[in-house]
Amino acid sequence: DSGVTQTPKHLITATGQRVTLRCSPRSGDLSVYWYQQSLDQGLQFLIQYYNGEERAKGNILERFSAQQFPDLHSELNLSSLELGDSALYFCASSVGGWSSYEQYFGPGTRLTVT
Amino acid sequence: AQTVTQSQPEMSVQEAETVTLSCTYDTSESDYYLFWYKQPPSRQMILVIRQEAYKQQNATENRFSVNFQKAAKSFSLKISDSQLGDAAMYFCAYLAQGGSEKLVFGKGTKLTVNP
Repeated sequence: DSGVTQTPKHLITATGQRVTLRCSPRSGDLSVYWYQQSLDQGLQFLIQYYNGEERAKGNILERFSAQQFPDLHSELNLSSLELGDSALYFCASSVGGWSSYEQYFGPGTRLTVT
Repeated sequence: AQTVTQSQPEMSVQEAETVTLSCTYDTSESDYYLFWYKQPPSRQMILVIRQEAYKQQNATENRFSVNFQKAAKSFSLKISDSQLGDAAMYFCAYLAQGGSEKLVFGKGTKLTVNP
């Protein structure tokens, strides 16, 4: 158990809908990262938050957005869903900064868009 | 942009034997970190081992060790005394120092352990 929690574990929804994925980092970690794992794209970085502020952005679609709250949990919002958004979405956390660079992953949320 | 290449989509090993998974990467940075993550059928991503580029000594974690060749930009993972529980996808990952803290992953190698 990495200490990172993600809910829900599974999500099935229809095209055009909107969903929210939730992540709670390990105790003491300030950084949260979101990654998408799909069969064709592999594991791709989406976005990073550090202590409530966006720090880095990857190949995140404009239909996707995220935020980190004062209690450091993070939410990834996916809207106008398409079939191609079906994937495993991971949240990872780290202390942040170069004092601790290791990222620990949650169990993931499997999103199926039908 | 940094890239990570794992040239072996699949590998197999007999239980108790040793196997080496290959990884190469491309970067113009001099300071960075390299990792191997394991993803078993449960889909959980588990950190196996890490290597700081400034360290010449190869990292070791129990039965797992790496062969880090900085000049060749090579970072292989050796698993000794393979166990059935080692069966999983293994991902090599790169993290640049001083820039974005995003991990760049290879496509993965599926390891099968035969009894």
